[in-house]
Amino acid sequence: GQQLNQSPQSMFIQEGEDVSMNCTSSSIFNTWLWYKQDPGEGPVLLIALYKAGELTSNGRLTAQFGITRKDSFLNISASIPSDVGIYFCAGMNRDDKIIFGKGTRLHILP
Amino acid sequence: KAGVTQTPRYLIKTRGQQVTLSCSPISGHRSVSWYQQTPGQGLQFLFEYFSETQRNKGNFPGRFSGRQFSNSRSEMNVSTLELGDSALYLCASRLAGDNEQFFGPGTRLTVL
Repeated sequence: GQQLNQSPQSMFIQEGEDVSMNCTSSSIFNTWLWYKQDPGEGPVLLIALYKAGELTSNGRLTAQFGITRKDSFLNISASIPSDVGIYFCAGMNRDDKIIFGKGTRLHILP
Repeated sequence: KAGVTQTPRYLIKTRGQQVTLSCSPISGHRSVSWYQQTPGQGLQFLFEYFSETQRNKGNFPGRFSGRQFSNSRSEMNVSTLELGDSALYLCASRLAGDNEQFFGPGTRLTVL
């Protein structure tokens, strides 16, 4: 079946640094979604992307829908302590199924 | 507008028992999906219901079943529980024709 490869699996960064994570697949997706999950909570939608090449920002977050429709990345600029959590990418295919990556766990060092 | 709600938030069961989890979607959302989240496997899709009909199904055994009511509320049932069923079960809803899913806080199931 379709799979999303999300990397890195975890990151340790200093507060104030920029962060970059990505998802790749051998399959094409029509929509890319990025979520953040805090401990004990459900994932919260951060950014939705609908067109190949689309670049969308939400505050310090920027995400792009890859031209090939097989990848997407998420950047976080000037990280702050509340950015800690697990970030998931998700792709929706033409069968309307949503597939999730395994997540990137972000740690911020004091 | 209230978000997706799930009950109960925590549940402890023993092997062989069955369990029913409940999800109330955001008002107006007719699509409800269920996911199992474990540390090793990430988010695994269980099934999606739309207007009381199962529209998509993941690769889980028949012990996992669900249904949706006319008010769009959904329930998920797991029979003959196994230790490996311990997980966070998440429900997500979306508007018909919309790709943006909104998640509830989840039900943490522990099987002893």
